[in-house]
Amino acid sequence: QSALTQPPSASGTPGQRVTISCSGSYSNIGRHFVYWYQHVPGTAPKVLISRNSDRVSGVPDRFSGSKSGTSASLAINGLRSGDEADYYCAVWDDTLSGPVFGGGTTLTVL
Amino acid sequence: EVQLVQSGAAVKKPGESLQISCKGSGYSFASYWIGWVRHTPGKGLELMGRIYPGDSETRYSPSFQGHVIMSADHSIGTAYLQWNSLKASDTAIYYCARHWDSTSSWFDYWGQGTPVTVS
Repeated sequence: QSALTQPPSASGTPGQRVTISCSGSYSNIGRHFVYWYQHVPGTAPKVLISRNSDRVSGVPDRFSGSKSGTSASLAINGLRSGDEADYYCAVWDDTLSGPVFGGGTTLTVL
Repeated sequence: EVQLVQSGAAVKKPGESLQISCKGSGYSFASYWIGWVRHTPGKGLELMGRIYPGDSETRYSPSFQGHVIMSADHSIGTAYLQWNSLKASDTAIYYCARHWDSTSSWFDYWGQGTPVTVS
């Protein structure tokens, strides 16, 4: 069981806004930057958001990240079918002395 | 251009040994930690551990300590992940990734993945 909790699934229709949450604790999200990864199974994961809210070069501005206290969120505006993927939050954890991934959220575009 | 190229798919029987590889290019391989990440449909992405090729220091995640061995040869820019006795539960896709900032969770470049089937 991961130190980070994400909902297992999320969905929306094209054009909608979807948010994915990531809940942790003081020893991880509370003290460190959160990163968000997009993973289409069978392909290499790629980082979308670094340092809580910075979009990585080439990532559309439809994607945004935020953090408050011990929780973080990834928001996707203007949902597209190509956004269907698994999304993971990741953060350094002081208890583990290393990075940890959340359990992942499967996004379905209806 | 930074690249991580992994060895090909493997099909093994329970109890057999296996070593997969991850060859880096386009950067100073010795200077960045390499993480190994397992993907399964049931558990998603899991960090197995990390290795610093410069001196082969390793940090294993608790769930994987004792089950796999990480090694590296920075002279040929290659990291390895090894099992001495595979189990069916090791069936997964394994990714290597460059750890950009060793005190964060930023893995900026990833290999293409190595599917491992144990049956």
